[in-house]
Amino acid sequence: GESVGLHLPTLSVQEGDNSIINCAYSNSASDYFIWYKQESGKGPQFIIDIRSNMDKRQGQRVTVLLNKTVKHLSLQIAATQPGDSAVYFCAENSPNQAGTALIFGKGTTLSVSS
Amino acid sequence: DSGVTQTPKHLITATGQRVTLRCSPRSGDLSVYWYQQSLDQGLQFLIQYYNGEERAKGNILERFSAQQFPDLHSELNLSSLELGDSALYFCASSVGMEGEKLFFGSGTQLSVL
Repeated sequence: GESVGLHLPTLSVQEGDNSIINCAYSNSASDYFIWYKQESGKGPQFIIDIRSNMDKRQGQRVTVLLNKTVKHLSLQIAATQPGDSAVYFCAENSPNQAGTALIFGKGTTLSVSS
Repeated sequence: DSGVTQTPKHLITATGQRVTLRCSPRSGDLSVYWYQQSLDQGLQFLIQYYNGEERAKGNILERFSAQQFPDLHSELNLSSLELGDSALYFCASSVGMEGEKLFFGSGTQLSVL
């Protein structure tokens, strides 16, 4: 599989490969993290989430890893399919003086070729 | 279908005008969130309401305001519009106050000409 470094906006993979999308979060007080998938012309769709008391969570073909030490989150997609092509956003539940809100990262565009 | 309804889907207006975007949350959800998505800024959190009260505030301009009504639907008002306000505006909802997944509507595409 291929992986993308932090903050890189695009990732291109072949169908069947494993994909790894990385994300850095900013607030060490964040206690909940979530990945969304956004297809063209649609709103973001929930993929998987994880709380700060865990370091790994698995779903169907997806795994989220959380490293609180370096404030890093990753999304692994197994056997990537053309239908996985989309923009992927990580988000952190970030408390600040104006309240706690789900703050989104910049997004990574995943392109899957068959 | 997320269950969150946003209207209108598209809005074209001129600079200096005022518009209202409407959102109906999923049945049973008490929180409504507004996000702005532009090409260079990603998804920017604007504001959250929980059961009619403002709960959290993000980078919302003073020209923008929102409210949540007793039936839990929400409106985002954008006034004195500028070209830079052109963006996709998303509403999302959740059951509780924080720390849970949000369900997003399909957005309102605002074009300010």
